[in-house]
Amino acid sequence: DTGVSQDPRHKITKRGQNVTFRCDPISEHNRLYWYRQTLGQGPEFLTYFQNEAQLEKSRLLSDRFSAERPKGSFSTLEIQRTEQGDSAMYLCASSSNRDNSYNEQFFGPGTRLTVL
Amino acid sequence: DQQVKQNSPSLSVQEGRISILNCDYTNSMFDYFLWYKKYPAEGPTFLISISSIKDKNEDGRFTVFLNKSAKHLSLHIVPSQPGDSAVYFCAVSRPPREKLTFGTGTRLTIIP
Repeated sequence: DTGVSQDPRHKITKRGQNVTFRCDPISEHNRLYWYRQTLGQGPEFLTYFQNEAQLEKSRLLSDRFSAERPKGSFSTLEIQRTEQGDSAMYLCASSSNRDNSYNEQFFGPGTRLTVL
Repeated sequence: DQQVKQNSPSLSVQEGRISILNCDYTNSMFDYFLWYKKYPAEGPTFLISISSIKDKNEDGRFTVFLNKSAKHLSLHIVPSQPGDSAVYFCAVSRPPREKLTFGTGTRLTIIP
């Protein structure tokens, strides 16, 4: 399977704990995105990387959130001191823009976070 | 402020008939438009897209129409099949096209 993969698929944690999610994009894609989806809403943009550079962060991404893509391949999203409001589906997507045209984003299956 | 609106939370259509899903946006700077389909417990799957230089794009049973003056796009599925039952999201992008802004989704149910 050469699609976007995410790990874990589900995470249950207690309020105040730290959690880390991993995303492996499609191998030839240079762009990687993180989105968050809550019940009844569409995905909301959090941040994106072009290769290893983090180029934009949404104001939704508080100081407790940090994302990395150290070698321009996989990415991690860490949430520190989780709050119940962090409960959501965290989606990763990747795309290629090597020829400067727009290319569709392909999504992984998501990580569902539940904060108790 | 919701920049992308899908005003119908749900839609039921008889199998074999046409399904029409609608989406409105507010910002005329948006220039690329996409539709995604989402099944439960899966990520969104790309269906079809259109750029602002076109007003129609077809791919098999799926056609997207864009009305720039009305800031409106629609997705037509014909004929509708049971496997089309899912939540459909429209998404928009503007230069430099680095992120997508999604609508709230429409749940389509195809009745056999």
